[in-house]
Order: sequence, then C-alpha cells, then structure tokens
Amino acid sequence: QKEVEQNSGPLSVPEGAIASLNCTYSDRGSQSFFWYRQYSGKSPELIMFIYSNGDKEDGRFTAQLNKASQYVSLLIRDSQPSDSATYLCAVNRGNTGKLIFGQGTTLQVKP
Amino acid sequence: ETGVTQSPTHLIKTRGQQVTLRCSSQSGHNTVSWYQQALGQGPQFIFQYYREEENGRGNFPPRFSGLQFPNYSSELNVNALELDDSALYLCASSWGQGAFTGELFFGEGSRLTVL
Repeated sequence: QKEVEQNSGPLSVPEGAIASLNCTYSDRGSQSFFWYRQYSGKSPELIMFIYSNGDKEDGRFTAQLNKASQYVSLLIRDSQPSDSATYLCAVNRGNTGKLIFGQGTTLQVKP
Repeated sequence: ETGVTQSPTHLIKTRGQQVTLRCSSQSGHNTVSWYQQALGQGPQFIFQYYREEENGRGNFPPRFSGLQFPNYSSELNVNALELDDSALYLCASSWGQGAFTGELFFGEGSRLTVL
C-alpha cells in the first residue's frame, strides 16, 4: 500500500464546474497535508495546506481533511482552463518539511 | 519564481557515469531538500540538508549523496548511473528544521536522461 494514494485520472470537468480531487494516506501519525499544483514541464507550487479536521477555504479552493477516515480532498470551484494541471497531494508526518507525495491527479478543464 | 535556482536544467549521461546537480536556495532559507520525480509520478524524497548536515534520507541507495555549503546552496551527486535514474530532480528550500512553515519552494528542476 502506498503511503499517499491518488487517482491518476485524468479528471475532466467543464469550465465553471466544481472539480473534486481526492487523496488518502496510510500513516495515522501524519500531521499536515498539502496540495501542490504542477503544470506540465514545471515544478510544483503550493496551493494550500491544512492541519485540522474540517474545511479550509482560500478563494476558489477548499481543502477538506478527515483524519478519522485518513482522507483529504481539494475542491476547485468555478474551474477554469488555466486550472488544467496535475494536482499533487502530500503529507508531512513530522514538522520537518519531508513530504511524502502521491502520484498526482491530472485535471482537465474543458472550455 | 521562487528564487531557487538549479543547474543544469537538462543533461544526458550514459550508464555508469557520475552526475552532479546544483541548487541555490532562496534567500533566508537554511534547509534544502532533494526530490526525484519520474515521469508520471509524484516527487520522491531523496534527502534533506539542514545547516550542512544530512537531516533525513528517503529510500535511495548510497550512490545518491549530497552536500550543503555554508551559504546553504547544495549539490546532489549520483554515482554509477542507471537507466532508472532518468527523472526530474527537484531541489526545494525552506526555513528551519523543526519550524516547517508549510511551504517548500521548488526550483525548476534538472532533467536527467540516462542512456
């Protein structure tokens, strides 16, 4: 079992729709959770992070964490073609910055 | 742009050769991490350096080694290259060993092809 699992996709949504990206993790000791976006041929960039159970909103993005179910998700509202990218889920078991990444989900937003 | 610079951006080597990749961290950051990203996969943690000392290592063989210099720049060295070493190598800088702010600043990567 991989430590961090994501559906590789591609996930295809029409422009303006809500995109829902999911991630599960195996280590219950994981303390913080991150979503990175990676455009083709580019390096990952942080979208947002979440530490506590519940929802965290930042503009069109909402991260959701459920530690009991070991599940974290990212919702993108009003999806735009510019959101088309690979979204990487990552977990940090300690407070050290050593991140464990999932394989990423490719999102395609169609005009 | 993050202020993290890596060189070279692309390189081609043959099996058995050695390679050195370089990274300059963002100003004010004292921690550098290296990740390997194979095509279609997420980044995998290789190791981290904090104040010139190795501070954790992933599941990579000893032929992967590194250095951090007093100015916090870093090198990744790979000996006896294998075909499976072909990947994008990402350097990420951050501040503090135990005070991780939640964001790694990635460089644009060095794409290594091993023939």
